[in-house]
Amino acid sequence: KQEVTQIPAALSVPEGENLVLNCSFTDSAIYNLQWFRQDPGKGLTSLLLIQSSQREQTSGRLNASLDKSSGRSTLYIAASQPGDSATYLCAGTGLNSGNTPLVFGKGTRLSVIA
Amino acid sequence: GAVVSQHPSWVICKSGTSVKIECRSLDFQATTMFWYRQFPKQSLMLMATSNEGSKATYEQGVEKDKFLINHASLTLSTLTVTSAHPEDSSFYICSARVGYNSPLHFGNGTRLTVT
Repeated sequence: KQEVTQIPAALSVPEGENLVLNCSFTDSAIYNLQWFRQDPGKGLTSLLLIQSSQREQTSGRLNASLDKSSGRSTLYIAASQPGDSATYLCAGTGLNSGNTPLVFGKGTRLSVIA
Repeated sequence: GAVVSQHPSWVICKSGTSVKIECRSLDFQATTMFWYRQFPKQSLMLMATSNEGSKATYEQGVEKDKFLINHASLTLSTLTVTSAHPEDSSFYICSARVGYNSPLHFGNGTRLTVT
């Protein structure tokens, strides 16, 4: 059964710092990987999707990469801002998954201090 | 961008009553919708996978007779919590996507409190 681990569980940084969030899967056979942001008491906002044929995706100050051989993904946030404070979740589907759902990690709670 | 609307955003009900939560894809047709449950400071736990026009597939440990899922159209899925109890109090979130290689889009969730 696929399990997802996110490290660190919580992170507090001063504004302007670059930071990296980590995500690893027990089963490295990952088909799609998606990073989300969740604000307290809210649903999830999709940030980046790395599809089966891709290894990396970028959107603005965010960059996500996926190493399928090791089952690890990183989310890089450049020049962090207080508005980036939220919980970041990674999730993936396994190979030959067809229409199976995403399996989520517990998230990294990020606080960016002004 | 793709929008998933979930209603209501919060609901308080008495023990023993039933509550229906709606999930709509507003600007796309969702062949598959997923229902998740989230406890405080925990990750999302999948409850069931719902495909339009067919019976939902429930995860192990989720009572299908208690959590009724209906996916009658490509834009609407409903979750009904029947005979709710205080332990059913949680944050329920639906999600939808067009196909398995498409991003998953989430509603804003429903906070259910059973008194």
